[in-house]
Amino acid sequence: GAGVSQSPSNKVTEKGKDVELRCDPISGHTALYWYRQSLGQGLEFLIYFQGNSAPDKSGLPSDRFSAERTGGSVSTLTIQRTQQEDSAVYLCASSLERVRNEQFFGPGTRLTVL
Amino acid sequence: SQQGEEDPQALSIQEGENATMNCSYKTSINNLQWYRQNSGRGLVHLILIRSNEREKHSGRLRVTLDTSKKSSSLLITASRAADTASYFCATSTSYGKLTFGQGTILTVHP
Repeated sequence: GAGVSQSPSNKVTEKGKDVELRCDPISGHTALYWYRQSLGQGLEFLIYFQGNSAPDKSGLPSDRFSAERTGGSVSTLTIQRTQQEDSAVYLCASSLERVRNEQFFGPGTRLTVL
Repeated sequence: SQQGEEDPQALSIQEGENATMNCSYKTSINNLQWYRQNSGRGLVHLILIRSNEREKHSGRLRVTLDTSKKSSSLLITASRAADTASYFCATSTSYGKLTFGQGTILTVHP
């Protein structure tokens, strides 16, 4: 009965470098979400995937952010040319259905951009 | 952007007392959920209440929803030191994504 897992748990990078954050959702969950939490902005939605449908990217803050979900399971959030304002905790969640079910969150990846 | 506003921002009580947190939101919702967060990391789902429900219980938790006022409350009865955490309400539309409030920091003193 594994929950949502994320890796790495912490990532320190230099400004301008690219980073990849990974999320393994709960097996069988069709919906996967990325959020980020920062002091100034609170908890913000970034992107979500539902089955084979086109992802909702409306929360991505800039074109430096992208995400993929391969095989309907694992997801990778990529941030290119990181900036200091990208520093935050990035949280992944999954749920059985898009609408009705609760979302189960992973422990998050704390990203620090120096 | 944050849909919800939570009240109070911080709450400090003694063990055994009840804690009540309120959440207001702006748009129509499908459901409203409450989450707990310890130490600024992963969120733990507490309870979900659907838009056609008015009250729900889970253990020491009681949640109410008033869609006419666009507000919800979370009551934790007989609080314990282990309940110390940040509590967030989150709303979901037919869209699925969650929109979070700013959270209430609850401190329960032993």
